Order: sequence, then structure tokens, then C-alpha cells
Amino acid sequence: GAVVSQHPSRVICKSGTSVKIECRSLDFQATTMFWYRQFPKKSLMLMATSNEGSKATYEQGVEKDKFLINHASLTLSTLTVTSAHPEDSSFYICSAEGTSGGGTQYFGPGTRLLVL
Amino acid sequence: EDQVTQSPEALRLQEGESSSLNCSYTVSGLRGLFWYRQDPGKGPEFLFTLYSAGEEKEKERLKATLTKKESFLHITAPKPEDSATYLCAVLISNTGKLIFGQGTTLQVKP
Repeated sequence: GAVVSQHPSRVICKSGTSVKIECRSLDFQATTMFWYRQFPKKSLMLMATSNEGSKATYEQGVEKDKFLINHASLTLSTLTVTSAHPEDSSFYICSAEGTSGGGTQYFGPGTRLLVL
Repeated sequence: EDQVTQSPEALRLQEGESSSLNCSYTVSGLRGLFWYRQDPGKGPEFLFTLYSAGEEKEKERLKATLTKKESFLHITAPKPEDSATYLCAVLISNTGKLIFGQGTTLQVKP
């Protein structure tokens, strides 16, 4: 149980284009999902908290117009990187909060984005 | 400022050589402490949740313990397949945010 998937697993795009990443909770409903970014040999940094049916809450320093988050249903959240630039290249990981109420987050496998 | 620190940064063990990883924290309020395992190029895999000092959890060769200031992940008789980065994270009670440590990269040699 508590499986989270992400698609795509890897994407290469040209500078200036937009890229959409999907995060799905496969066997449970998640009212809250999270988006993280991880740089090489660094830990995870929270970008935003996504709540189903409401606007996402962004961390300080994260541009909400650049990183668009949509939590359309209890099992799907999407992150769109708009007008991507090489500095946006990174490993993006989503997580979904489990239903036990204990705050455990279950993570997806991550999406490797390379902007040329 | 909420802070989570893990040590050592890297650890090399021989197969069968037991050891412990440390996670110390200074936070405004702890709702829970989590241990994850992360393999290269993959997302973190959930291992344990600890909620109060004195609590212990076990899974195969791993045992996690919690005090008011730190947590330990004990690895007993490790195998090469235990090689990974182990992440500690604290869920802050008043913000609901998960603050991660920098991780400990464990390498177990046969």
C-alpha cells in the first residue's frame, strides 16, 4: 500500500518550453501532496504544498508563476515548469500524505528534468 | 530556526559490521520523526515513524530509536544491499512541514 507514481521519470526539453510532471497516489486518496526539489548530493527542499481543491502554498523563494501546481483530484497533482531554463534542471520529487493522520509522507520515484 | 543534522555524512562498513547513524534536531515542535532510505536516482522509501521519546521501531536489520534531542538508526549485521543514503526528517507540528537532514550515505562492502 501507499504507492505514489510520477510521470515522466525523465524529460529533456529546450529552454523556453514548458514541462508538466504528474504525481499520482495509486492506492490511497491524498488531500495533501508536496513537491520537492533535490540537487545532486543534497537533501530534499520543499517547494510547495498542494491541497486538493485549493491553491498551492509556495515556500519562500519559489516562484509560483514559474512552478504551477494543480491538485485536480484526491489522487493527482501536477507541477508545470513554465518557460524552463537550464537552471531549472533538477530532480523533482512529489509526495503524498498518508491517511493514517500521523503525517507520514510517501514519495514518488522522482522526475529528472534536463533543460538544454 | 528548525534544524535537522545527520552524522556521519558518509559511512563505509564491512558486511556484518554493525553501526549507528545519528540524527539530531532542534525544532520548534516535533510532531513526528521519519527515516527514509533513498537509492541513487530514486525517491525516498519510507522506513519508520517515531512520535515520542523512548519509542523504538524495528524492521529486519534496522532499528530506529528516539530521544528528546536525537534519533539513531541502528544497522545490525549489514549486507551490501543495505547500501543507500538514509534520510532523517522531522515533521514540524505548527507548520506541518517536513524538514530533512542532509543524509548519511552508507556503503557496505562484501
